[in-house]
Amino acid sequence: EPEVTQTPSHQVTQMGQEVILRCVPISNHLYFYWYRQILGQKVEFLVSFYNNEISEKSEIFDDQFSVERPDGSNFTLKIRSTKLEDSAMYFCASSEGKYRGYGYTFGSGTRLTVV
Amino acid sequence: ELKVEQNPLFLSMQEGKNYTIYCNYSTTSDRLYWYRQDPGKSLESLFVLLSNGAVKQEGRLMASLDTKARLSTLHITAAVHDLSATYFCAVDIPYSIDSGGGADGLTFGKGTHLIIQP
Repeated sequence: EPEVTQTPSHQVTQMGQEVILRCVPISNHLYFYWYRQILGQKVEFLVSFYNNEISEKSEIFDDQFSVERPDGSNFTLKIRSTKLEDSAMYFCASSEGKYRGYGYTFGSGTRLTVV
Repeated sequence: ELKVEQNPLFLSMQEGKNYTIYCNYSTTSDRLYWYRQDPGKSLESLFVLLSNGAVKQEGRLMASLDTKARLSTLHITAAVHDLSATYFCAVDIPYSIDSGGGADGLTFGKGTHLIIQP
């Protein structure tokens, strides 16, 4: 079964440093997403990406965040200057088709720890 | 703003018992998703409910959707220990041609932490 692949699985970084989280969505999917989950809390939407541009972003996705699809397979989330409160599990997801309702496939996540 | 509320948030039950998790949402939508999450793991898709009255079953789990009441339920029949996990419901806004094909994200409930004791 096709999978969404995320790397690294765990990253520890110092406050103020930049991090890049990487995702390889399912190859025939057209919509890509980043979500985060602070430990023990609910999953929160960050951003959606379609046709090489951001479709929608939440209030969490401020200027320190950016997303990019640098080639035909990778989808990245960059956090420019990490803060302690950025510590969370970050999930990438992808979906196929133009109409929602196809379902979303989530990756295994990257646990980001900011110290 | 779309709000999604689950209850209960914590549930401890014995094997063999039945129970129901409820998911209410605040805005018109006919797309509701149920996910399972084991500790430290990703989100596993359980059910995708796409219309009013939709009912889906997989093993001991059954999910239903009432779009008029803005309510979905996840029913557990004769629970077994392996079903211990956190269960999330999530909703997205129906696609609109006027939206130009943009993709909205999922809004999740807070999750129901389910413990099934032998």
